[in-house]
Amino acid sequence: KNQVEQSPQSLIILEGKNCTLQCNYTVSPFSNLRWYKQDTGRGPVSLTIMTFSENTKSNGRYTATLDADTKQSSLHITASQLSDSASYICVVSARGNNRLAFGKGNQVVVIP
Amino acid sequence: EPEVTQTPSHQVTQMGQEVILRCVPISNHLYFYWYRQILGQKVEFLVSFYNNEISEKSEIFDDQFSVERPDGSNFTLKIRSTKLEDSAMYFCASNRQGPRMNTEAFFGQGTRLTVV
Repeated sequence: KNQVEQSPQSLIILEGKNCTLQCNYTVSPFSNLRWYKQDTGRGPVSLTIMTFSENTKSNGRYTATLDADTKQSSLHITASQLSDSASYICVVSARGNNRLAFGKGNQVVVIP
Repeated sequence: EPEVTQTPSHQVTQMGQEVILRCVPISNHLYFYWYRQILGQKVEFLVSFYNNEISEKSEIFDDQFSVERPDGSNFTLKIRSTKLEDSAMYFCASNRQGPRMNTEAFFGQGTRLTVV
């Protein structure tokens, strides 16, 4: 059972446009939620980390939101650039263990 | 900027052979992890390591797998007798305080293991 679900699976956007990626999770009890960016063939790189009490966090053109009541998060990319083409992975940590639960990722392709 | 380094970047091995994947975590980090990603699938947790012992492992991490921190800097993953289904990208990660403390986990660039 996959505890982290992401949508859409993939999307193509024009350079300069915005997009929003969605993450729903069932991990409980919740500790924190992270968004990672993974370029093809590379390791994941952290973008944001949010705890239960935080409902928004920004990192440059990336803005993540969290609704811990509905167990949903989103990642908004503003003014996309070609270098934003990557997989964006939602990762959730539960209290009481040391593992991270990964979603399958949102594959974003930015075209000129 | 400190980073997690992994070697080799690509390893090809015959089925049944032993492989050792190597990682050098960030020097002041205390928690170490191995994850794997089969091509086209999500990243999966294998094992976490703290204070020179395994703190948690997944159902994937069976008796064929072992981890070791032999010299205080390297962190290794050994697969005793590789199977075709072990072909994947293996990521090492380290964290200063552990994921429960909301600190960032840094991932290496990965070792692509191909079992033939």
